[in-house]
Amino acid sequence: EIVLTQSPGTLSLSPGERATLSCRASESLSHPFLAWYQLKPGQAPRLLIYTVSSRATGIPDRFSGRGSGADFTLTISRLEPEDFAVYYCQQYGSPSATFGQGTKVEIK
Amino acid sequence: EVQLVESGGGLVQPGGSLRLSCATSGFTLSDHDMDWARQAPGKGLEWVGRNKNKGNDYRTEYAASVQGRFTISRDDPNDSLHLQMNSLQTDDTAVYYCVAWIRSYGHWGQGTLVTVSS
Repeated sequence: EIVLTQSPGTLSLSPGERATLSCRASESLSHPFLAWYQLKPGQAPRLLIYTVSSRATGIPDRFSGRGSGADFTLTISRLEPEDFAVYYCQQYGSPSATFGQGTKVEIK
Repeated sequence: EVQLVESGGGLVQPGGSLRLSCATSGFTLSDHDMDWARQAPGKGLEWVGRNKNKGNDYRTEYAASVQGRFTISRDDPNDSLHLQMNSLQTDDTAVYYCVAWIRSYGHWGQGTLVTVSS
């Protein structure tokens, strides 16, 4: 099983600042199936990024994903008030998928 | 438009069983891999299992935490996915989501809550 480790656990930033979230896999991914989700209380996960760097439908361009091998990054270029939430990475290659443990982006 | 609607959640006693369903529309179910995922209260997301598409013989894979207790099946003619959950434990309490993988893009339902408690 591929283990995904996200860092930091919590990111304390102000609106307008840049957020950089890391997701490291326990082994190099042999596929491009890496996604990022935003989670808010009481809501279903919102897909932000799929296949490492493709933005999902309706996602603002302040969200971007990059990476390869075992190291991946989600960047929010300028935090808006609605961006304060918990973010998860997921590798969804077969045969099994796994999630990271999440990074909370909180208002400083 | 792709739509996924989960149902079947509720309160069940430890050791009991429950069957969740996911009604799908907007795509041909047999062509696509389908997952179940869950989120326990106050916890992170957890992948539960996958049912591959018809071209991959509907092979299934499960997380170690549910292997041998949960079974994923599908009814392609009726556009539905199911999750049979047996020997339920209190730490299976979670919101359960079905996920459709269409051209590497994950479409999620709104989830159904399962509470395992005596």
